[in-house]
Amino acid sequence: QVQLVQSGAEVKKPGASVKVSCKASGYTFTSYGISWVRQAPGQGLEWMGWISAYNGNTNYAQKLQGRVTMTTDTSTSTAYMELRSLRSDDTAVYYCARWTIFSYMDVWGKGTTVTVSS
Amino acid sequence: EIVLTQSPDFQSVTPKEKVTITCRASQSIGSSLHWYQQKPDQSPKLLIKYASQSFSGVPSRFSGSGSGTDFTLTINSLEAEDAATYYCHQSSSLPQTFGQGTKVEIK
Repeated sequence: QVQLVQSGAEVKKPGASVKVSCKASGYTFTSYGISWVRQAPGQGLEWMGWISAYNGNTNYAQKLQGRVTMTTDTSTSTAYMELRSLRSDDTAVYYCARWTIFSYMDVWGKGTTVTVSS
Repeated sequence: EIVLTQSPDFQSVTPKEKVTITCRASQSIGSSLHWYQQKPDQSPKLLIKYASQSFSGVPSRFSGSGSGTDFTLTINSLEAEDAATYYCHQSSSLPQTFGQGTKVEIK
């Protein structure tokens, strides 16, 4: 079945970087994009950006520009999201979701908890 | 950036009651509006795509309507398992945005 499997929880210190993976299976990876969405504790959903698994094109939320990089490895059907210069307000659950440009997110990973604490 | 405003923020409802959640966009987005359900400690699940199209496997009591700037998610005959937070999401233009969420509690 179609699924996205994310990497495990991370604990990082302020100023560090984190790289979360999202491995796709059950569909043709390059036919879709991957969106990344995060959710701070007790808060709503925040779109972080999108990457095309077909050609690697990206689009990032303006507030994260310069700190976030999204990549894919088509040989392993895996998407990655790296966030640098972590701050305490980056503490959140990070989700990857299958997405086609200007469309809906129909398959979601279970989420990766990233905790930023000194 | 397109802002989505949901109402109400919270609703306490008895089983079998009808639930209506609205989502208003700050500018016209056509039908590029989707609804998700998120239960505690779970990832969001797609319920309705393109304003009114039911996603595969979603119970028929969930329905959506609207276009342009005003959209509605309706849950007919609420069941206990429907306790969750519901989010609208627009994909008309980047950056994509979500509504703030509506929490539905079962009385």
